[in-house]
Amino acid sequence: EAGVTQSPTHLIKTRGQQATLRCSPISGHTSVYWYQQALGLGLQFLLWYDEGEERNRGNFPPRFSGRQFPNYSSELNVNALELEDSALYLCASSLGLAASSYEQYFGPGTRLTVT
Amino acid sequence: ILNVEQSPQSLHVQEGDSTNFTCSFPSSNFYALHWYRWETAKSPEALFVMTLNGDEKKKGRISATLNTKEGYSYLYIKGSQPEDSATYLCALYNQGGKLIFGQGTELSVKP
Repeated sequence: EAGVTQSPTHLIKTRGQQATLRCSPISGHTSVYWYQQALGLGLQFLLWYDEGEERNRGNFPPRFSGRQFPNYSSELNVNALELEDSALYLCASSLGLAASSYEQYFGPGTRLTVT
Repeated sequence: ILNVEQSPQSLHVQEGDSTNFTCSFPSSNFYALHWYRWETAKSPEALFVMTLNGDEKKKGRISATLNTKEGYSYLYIKGSQPEDSATYLCALYNQGGKLIFGQGTELSVKP
């Protein structure tokens, strides 16, 4: 069974640009979560999508947004990039609301560098 | 607000040593406690999901306990091997799909 996949592995952008990160969940999973790990910090919750709807977001500015597609894959968009957005972005998936599952399975992450 | 503390921050042991780390939390207002193992450049790997006070889980040489009344969980590794070297993360599952992570314990096992 294929795990959670993310693309690209690395992304280099300039301050002020937009970045788009992609995630494909495990087959059968309907929930996708995004987390950020900035340098020296722990993993911070960003966004949760289930069945195409945004269900919850963490304490991040509106520049961070995303969407979930009908095939349950997801995009994370970061607009007006700032230097402090440089971080590892992890995506996770789970069986979602209908299954009341607590387990989240993570992808390998996208390393975003803003110069 | 849930806060998750992990200790120690890093640990260096010799192959064959047994070791344990702590995850502490001030409140039992969560649905589940997760332990993950995270090797550099790989995906965090789920080790255990614990839901009940007194819960105890085991997978090979690794085991974990949960004490919600006193606000801690222990992760034990028996007979550490070099391949156990990784960062071990503890996370609480609260409402809203959110995992609240500790900073992790970085384990290094020397042959």
